[in-house]
Amino acid sequence: AQSVTQLDSQVPVFEEAPVELRCNYSSSVSVYLFWYVQYPNQGLQLLLKYLSGSTLVKGINGFEAEFNKSQTSFHLRKPSVHISDTAEYFCAVSRSGGYNKLIFGAGTRLAVHP
Amino acid sequence: EAGVAQSPRYKIIEKRQSVAFWCNPISGHATLYWYQQILGQGPKLLIQFQNNGVVDDSQLPKDRFSAERLKGVDSTLKIQPAKLEDSAVYLCASSLDPPNTEAFFGQGTRLTVV
Repeated sequence: AQSVTQLDSQVPVFEEAPVELRCNYSSSVSVYLFWYVQYPNQGLQLLLKYLSGSTLVKGINGFEAEFNKSQTSFHLRKPSVHISDTAEYFCAVSRSGGYNKLIFGAGTRLAVHP
Repeated sequence: EAGVAQSPRYKIIEKRQSVAFWCNPISGHATLYWYQQILGQGPKLLIQFQNNGVVDDSQLPKDRFSAERLKGVDSTLKIQPAKLEDSAVYLCASSLDPPNTEAFFGQGTRLTVV
């Protein structure tokens, strides 16, 4: 079975500062990895995904993530955050191939302060 | 392209009452998911459909929850009878067939059981 651990429940940061949201996963088989963002009273929106190939994945809104198989991590980064990035961020994993379910972490609340 | 539609957006019921949620996925998406998101937690998969067949319902409390997807398009999720701990946001998502596993989420239905 797969599982996801998001290491920080809350991350406060000042506007224009860099940020890293940490995600570790556990799986005995190959996986796909995802980061989703959820704004208040909204559904989840995909930021980026890793299916295969290059371990550095670029997504929307200037976010990127790096897949590290040896450390079983998929940390999300942004070099300079904006107030509008304030939201809940979820890391998710699924087994690769077939109709496999997405398993989500508990989420990290990113709070960007002026 | 229209997104995933859910209704209602909000629902307040008393415990032991029944409630139903409706979801219309993106046109052409064969896979449909229902997730439960309790406040402060990540989404938890309740049931996954492939067309009108169930792929995974291992975490669906079958004594009170039921779901159907007639004709492989719209879906309804029902709770009968509701308990206080069912208070959550119920998210519907849909995706194309693998390997394109990006799930698109609706805005969710916020259920409050009092």
